[in-house]
Amino acid sequence: QQQVRQSPQSLTVWEGETAILNCSYEDSTFNYFPWYQQFPGEGPALLISIRSVSDKKEDGRFTIFFNKREKKLSLHITDSQPGDSATYFCAARASNYQLIWGSGTKLIIKP
Amino acid sequence: GGIITQTPKFLIGQEGQKLTLKCQQNFNHDTMYWYRQDSGKGLRLIYYSITENDLQKGDLSEGYDASREKKSSFSLTVTSAQKNEMAVFLCASSTRDSQDTQYFGPGTRLLVL
Repeated sequence: QQQVRQSPQSLTVWEGETAILNCSYEDSTFNYFPWYQQFPGEGPALLISIRSVSDKKEDGRFTIFFNKREKKLSLHITDSQPGDSATYFCAARASNYQLIWGSGTKLIIKP
Repeated sequence: GGIITQTPKFLIGQEGQKLTLKCQQNFNHDTMYWYRQDSGKGLRLIYYSITENDLQKGDLSEGYDASREKKSSFSLTVTSAQKNEMAVFLCASSTRDSQDTQYFGPGTRLLVL
């Protein structure tokens, strides 16, 4: 019940293209969804987040689209840059306030 | 701003050994966390501490102990290292009121021979 799934496991896009990372969940009580970005050798860092009352959150080249009915969300990275190459984690806040983490999408941007 | 420091960066242990990992933060955050990250998997919560004198088990607490020595420091002990175990242990902190935003350290990489 308390699961967050991410797809694809890895994704390669060309510089300048839009990368789309997907996330889905099962527990309808989840109401906050942060995306974290992790570079090799570092801990994750909060990139962007959305609350379930919204269907879209934008921050520069990064946009979250949220579909509450289908329990799905996606992170769109427009005009992808080589520096965006990282692993991206989708997480969800459970009713006990703990974060439930997806398994991550490794994104590679080819110049 | 602030920083989270984890020591050691790399830890090589022997099967059955008791191993301690340390974490320090200077954000002045109330809440601290220990996560385990395995290759290809998401982060799994081992222990967390909401305030200085609090200790809560996460889903992966079996095989681990934790200690919140003071507000700025949180230690994790692997009570008996498992042979061929390989994982990254991440420490994080947040304010008590905004546990949604967690700040992470660089991790301790554990290898058990």
